[in-house]
Amino acid sequence: NAGVMQNPRHLVRRRGQEARLRCSPMKGHSHVYWYRQLPEEGLKFMVYLQKENIIDESGMPKERFSAEFPKEGPSILRIQQVVRGDSAAYFCASSPNPGRSSGNTIYFGEGSWLTVV
Amino acid sequence: EDQVTQSPEALRLQEGESSSLNCSYTVSGLRGLFWYRQDPGKGPEFLFTLYSAGEEKEKERLKATLTKKESFLHITAPKPEDSATYLCAVHYNQGGKLIFGQGTELSVKP
Repeated sequence: NAGVMQNPRHLVRRRGQEARLRCSPMKGHSHVYWYRQLPEEGLKFMVYLQKENIIDESGMPKERFSAEFPKEGPSILRIQQVVRGDSAAYFCASSPNPGRSSGNTIYFGEGSWLTVV
Repeated sequence: EDQVTQSPEALRLQEGESSSLNCSYTVSGLRGLFWYRQDPGKGPEFLFTLYSAGEEKEKERLKATLTKKESFLHITAPKPEDSATYLCAVHYNQGGKLIFGQGTELSVKP
């Protein structure tokens, strides 16, 4: 029973390059979330997606960041023209149905650690 | 402003010394309060979800409780392997967005 799968686990990019982080949700989960954990800071919500739809992107930086969850394949968090401040751990999470008041447990992956040099 | 505050920031215990971690929140329309454990270099590991005031849940040496304004994570007779950062998060709207506290870093010495 695989959990939330993220890859790569570690990624090094030079300033100005693009970073692509992938996330496959748990089996049976159709809701995906991306969170960012900056050094010495807590987890911050970035975006919430369902298949082919962005539901809430209130935590996404206005520029350079985008996310998708296509009908087929994993969810992708894309960061264009990376800067040093993008260095962080990026966590993906999934749930079956967050709209329900019970049974809406949200499970996290092991994270993707991005280092920008 | 919706907020989640955890205390203490760090807690050092001797093995077997029971204690409690606090999570206070100021959100309206709470739909669930989550506790996670996070080890260095790892993702948050789900522990509990609490949905209504008065609810309690237990797992091994951990017990989580919930009131209308705060939650406690009680650790009974902790062991060194319980050392980790414990995160509290609230879910308060129709979507899946969680607001996390800063965490409590627990260290249990043998």
